[in-house]
Amino acid sequence: SYELTQPPSVSVSPGQTARITCSGDALPKQYAYWYQQKPGQAPVLVIYKDSERPSGIPERFSGSSSGTTVTLTISGVQAEDEADYYCQSADSSDTYRVFGTGTRVTVL
Amino acid sequence: QVQLVESGGGVVQPGRSLRLSCAASGFTFSSYGMHWVRQAPGKGLEWVAVMSYDGSNKYYADYVKGRFTISRDNSKNTLSLQMNSLRAEDTALYYCAKLSSGSYPEDYWGQGTLVTVSS
Repeated sequence: SYELTQPPSVSVSPGQTARITCSGDALPKQYAYWYQQKPGQAPVLVIYKDSERPSGIPERFSGSSSGTTVTLTISGVQAEDEADYYCQSADSSDTYRVFGTGTRVTVL
Repeated sequence: QVQLVESGGGVVQPGRSLRLSCAASGFTFSSYGMHWVRQAPGKGLEWVAVMSYDGSNKYYADYVKGRFTISRDNSKNTLSLQMNSLRAEDTALYYCAKLSSGSYPEDYWGQGTLVTVSS
C-alpha cells in the first residue's frame, strides 16, 4: 500500500525556520496537502495543492514540491506553531487518500 | 457557517457492529465527495473511506475493506459509516471530513466521535 514518510520530529528555536519533508512515490503526479493538529483539536489545513495557502493561514507557512518530496516550511516560527503536522495526498490512480506519518514540531 | 457533526460512537465488543453518522450544514453537501478519517489514541491520522458526491463511487483503505461501508443521503445532508466485525485496532476518534482537492480547495472537519472496541 502507498505510504507517505515524514520525520518523526523537528525542533526549532523561536524566530528560526522549520522544514518538514514528506516523501512518496506518487507525489510527482498528485497534489500534497498539509495539516496542523494541536492537542484535542481537529486538523487544520495550512497548505493545499502543494503550495497554496488557505485564507487565514499566516504567510510564514509555505509549501514546495520537488520530485517525490514535498516540503512544508514555517519561517519565523512562533510558540503557537508547536503542533503535529501531517502531509496528505492521493495514490497514483487518484483512488484513495493517504496521510503521512506525522511530524511533531517542538519550539524550544 | 460550515458544520460537520458526528455521532454514534461508543464502547462495543470485538466482533460487533456500530454505525456512525455525520450531519452536514453550511455548504452544498451534495456537491462534494466526503471522507471518514480516524485517529487512534496518541497516533497519527489514518484515512478510512471516501464516497463521491453522488454516491456512485466509494473506496476504502485496505484495513477496513470488507468490514466497513460508507453511504450518504444527500436529501438529508448526512454521511454514514457502517462498521462490522470491529477489532481492537479500530479503536479511534472518527472524523467526518470534506477534504481539499485540486478542484475544490475547501477543507472541513467535524470534531469526531470516539469508538472504543473492548471486551
